[in-house]
This record gives sequence, structure tokens and C-alpha cells, in this order.
Amino acid sequence: DTGVSQDPRHKITKRGQNVTFRCDPISEHNRLYWYRQTLGQGPEFLTYFQNEAQLEKSRLLSDRFSAERPKGSFSTLEIQRTEQGDSAMYLCASRPPPGTGGTDTQYFGPGTRLTVL
Amino acid sequence: AQSVTQLGSHVSVSEGALVLLRCNYSSSVPPYLFWYVQYPNQGLQLLLKYTTGATLVKGINGFEAEFKKSETSFHLTKPSAHMSDAAEYFCAVSKTSGSRLTFGEGTQLTVNP
Repeated sequence: DTGVSQDPRHKITKRGQNVTFRCDPISEHNRLYWYRQTLGQGPEFLTYFQNEAQLEKSRLLSDRFSAERPKGSFSTLEIQRTEQGDSAMYLCASRPPPGTGGTDTQYFGPGTRLTVL
Repeated sequence: AQSVTQLGSHVSVSEGALVLLRCNYSSSVPPYLFWYVQYPNQGLQLLLKYTTGATLVKGINGFEAEFKKSETSFHLTKPSAHMSDAAEYFCAVSKTSGSRLTFGEGTQLTVNP
């Protein structure tokens, strides 16, 4: 059973550019979460999906951020017109559906580190 | 709203010494509580969790934590530190199974030889 994977692992971009990250959850996991972690801080919740439906968005998710999970499998997080304050580690996590073991546990991927110059 | 406070952003212990990382939470409902560990440039790995039942929970790598409702605490302990325990540790809380996690700011554990 492979874990959560994220691509790319590192991204360096110039201010004002758009970036897109991808997350592939563990197979059969129906919930997928995005968090952002800035240096020296704990992760902060951004949004989550149940299958293809986006069920909750944090106020941290400004208009420049959009997330999708079109077929209920992988997800993408896009940031438009990046700002230096967007520099952070973007973490993805997934959770198995009810009725299986470990439904209260979120399994995290390795993260995508974004640097905005 | 839920919140988590981790006392001590940096903790340093000698190899073989007791590890104690403190976590206090606030929650309007019975919480689900978690400890995660993060090694440099990696994601988070679950150490242990409390959902219901026994308040003393055991996790991987010899760690354990005790849920104390009266103290709103969920401190993480390990009897004897190993060099490989050096990492950042995060306490987290959620309202329900599978809902968003709210994390503390983390505690960086250093283990000295």
C-alpha cells in the first residue's frame, strides 16, 4: 500500500506567477485534505474534499487559491498570482472511508515546498 | 473554536533520559487528540491518538500519552530517549472523526549524546 504522494516536492517561482500542486491520496481513501505549514509553525487547515465534493474551506484560502478533486481521486491546488507570503510547505493528507480501520486518522504526504522569490 | 498549546518550542534531553512534551487543548466537545512527528523535509507521521476509551494510549517507537480531561492535557512521554527521536513533534485536536485538524506550534526535540 503506497502512501500519499505529492508532486512536485519543491517549487521555486517568481512573484506573480501561477503554480499548481498535485496530491495522490492512498487508494480508496475518500477524504482528502490540504494544509499549509510556514516555517516554525504547525500546519494550518486549508480545505478538504469528500470524494469530489469540496466540503469545507478555511478563511486562509483566499480568492487566489483554488482546489479541485474532479474524479474523487487525485487533487490539485492552484495558487494564482503568487506572493512572497505564499512561501510555505503545502501538505496533503487522506483518510479512509467509514467502516474501514483508521477512519479517524489522516495520513500525510511528504509535502510540496513552495518558495516565491 | 478549538486550539492547542504546546509548552516549550524547544526541548533538549540527554540520550536515555525521560522525554516529556506538553500539550494542552481547548475544545467545546469531547476531542479527538493526536501526536504527530515530523522529520526534516518530510511530512507528518502519526505517533498515537486518543479517540475514546482508555485514557493512556501507546504509540509507535515507545511513546505514550495520557488524556486528562480535568487538566485538558495530552502530554507525550517516552521513558528513555534515543538519538533517532530528534525531530519536531506536533499535538493536534479535531472535533469529530475525520474533521479538520488543529495543530499546536510544535516542539523541537533535541537528543544529546
